[in-house]
Amino acid sequence: GNSVTQMEGPVTLSEEAFLTINCTYTATGYPSLFWYVQYPGEGLQLLLKATKADDKGSNKGFEATYRKETTSFHLEKGSVQVSDSAVYFCALTANTNAGKSTFGDGTTLTVKP
Amino acid sequence: GAVVSQHPSRVICKSGTSVKIECRSLDFQATTMFWYRQFPKQSLMLMATSNEGSKATYEQGVEKDKFLINHASLTLSTLTVTSAHPEDSSFYICSASDIVNTEAFFGQGTRLTVV
Repeated sequence: GNSVTQMEGPVTLSEEAFLTINCTYTATGYPSLFWYVQYPGEGLQLLLKATKADDKGSNKGFEATYRKETTSFHLEKGSVQVSDSAVYFCALTANTNAGKSTFGDGTTLTVKP
Repeated sequence: GAVVSQHPSRVICKSGTSVKIECRSLDFQATTMFWYRQFPKQSLMLMATSNEGSKATYEQGVEKDKFLINHASLTLSTLTVTSAHPEDSSFYICSASDIVNTEAFFGQGTRLTVV
């Protein structure tokens, strides 16, 4: 079946540090890949997505590139802010089952001033 | 992106009562809706998949008689937690997709507390 493996957390960084959260996946076919962010007590917000190999998703300074050869979709940001503190989920949907999402375990990011 | 509205956002109920959570797609026709459960500091666990007009498909280990799912129209699915107990307290999130997109659109979630 499909699965998503995320870098274990929690991750604590100083403001303006570089962020990488690793994500690898296992899926048949060509899944679509997503990063979601969840702030305390809130629902999921789509951060970025990529639907085919070599696509780069980007939003609010975050980026992730769909790497089929390494089955990865690592999240990066060049300079984090305190407001980026949240839980980040990597997820995929298989093209054969549109909309059904498989999530990683989530990575908690804390950014300190 | 498409909008999915979930209601209520928070609910507190007494043990033994039933609670209904609604999930609505506001600007598209949701052929499929998904219900997830999230325990504190954990990931989302898929509970069931519902297609409009047919019975929901439940994931292994999810009690279908406890978590009743109805998807009577292309814009509304409901999850009813029957005879709720404190261990049912959790964050419940729905998502909806149409036949065009591989992406699902998520509701804001419902925090259920059973006392």
